[in-house]
Amino acid sequence: AQSVSQHNHHVILSEAASLELGCNYSYGGTVNLFWYVQYPGQHLQLLLKYFSGDPLVKGIKGFEAEFIKSKFSFNLRKPSVQWSDTAEYFCAVIPTMEYGNKLVFGAGTILRVKS
Amino acid sequence: DSGVTQTPKHLITATGQRVTLRCSPRSGDLSVYWYQQSLDQGLQFLIQYYNGEERAKGNILERFSAQQFPDLHSELNLSSLELGDSALYFCASSVGGSLYNEQFFGPGTRLTVL
Repeated sequence: AQSVSQHNHHVILSEAASLELGCNYSYGGTVNLFWYVQYPGQHLQLLLKYFSGDPLVKGIKGFEAEFIKSKFSFNLRKPSVQWSDTAEYFCAVIPTMEYGNKLVFGAGTILRVKS
Repeated sequence: DSGVTQTPKHLITATGQRVTLRCSPRSGDLSVYWYQQSLDQGLQFLIQYYNGEERAKGNILERFSAQQFPDLHSELNLSSLELGDSALYFCASSVGGSLYNEQFFGPGTRLTVL
């Protein structure tokens, strides 16, 4: 089945550690990619998005993601995490029209940063 | 605060019942989206309305229906409720009708079916 996979459901890091959260999708053709974040007790909000152009996308709060078409991946990175990055992170994809007009989310990765 | 409001915050009901969830989009946004987040299915797109018309449909059950009113608020109606319908229901809004517009999410309504 077509899907979006986030490999790690829980990640625990110490402050200042580097972060990489994996996201792979299985849709062919041109896709549009997003990372959303949900801080504890807050609503989902957009971190960054990729539609076209430079495959290295910079988002808010020092996050970036790299689109690697050959690997069907859109991994999220941050060089040095802070305690305030503790949140759940969702990768999402808009696949091509043949798969339906919708935003498909991964299962989410819960990040806990220890201070 | 995203500017999207949802009521109620929590809802507890019994199997077989019907409930209505309400969403008010950000001022100026014409699109409303509904999502269901459950432990086993994750975050799933249900349906989108744009300026009162259904624009896109996802994994929405036939027991569920939605509408968007002239003032642009939207309601999600869930009927013949089952235990498996227990979930967090999110509403999001965006300016345009395209999925490429940034969506702004509300705080969600937590539905518990007993």
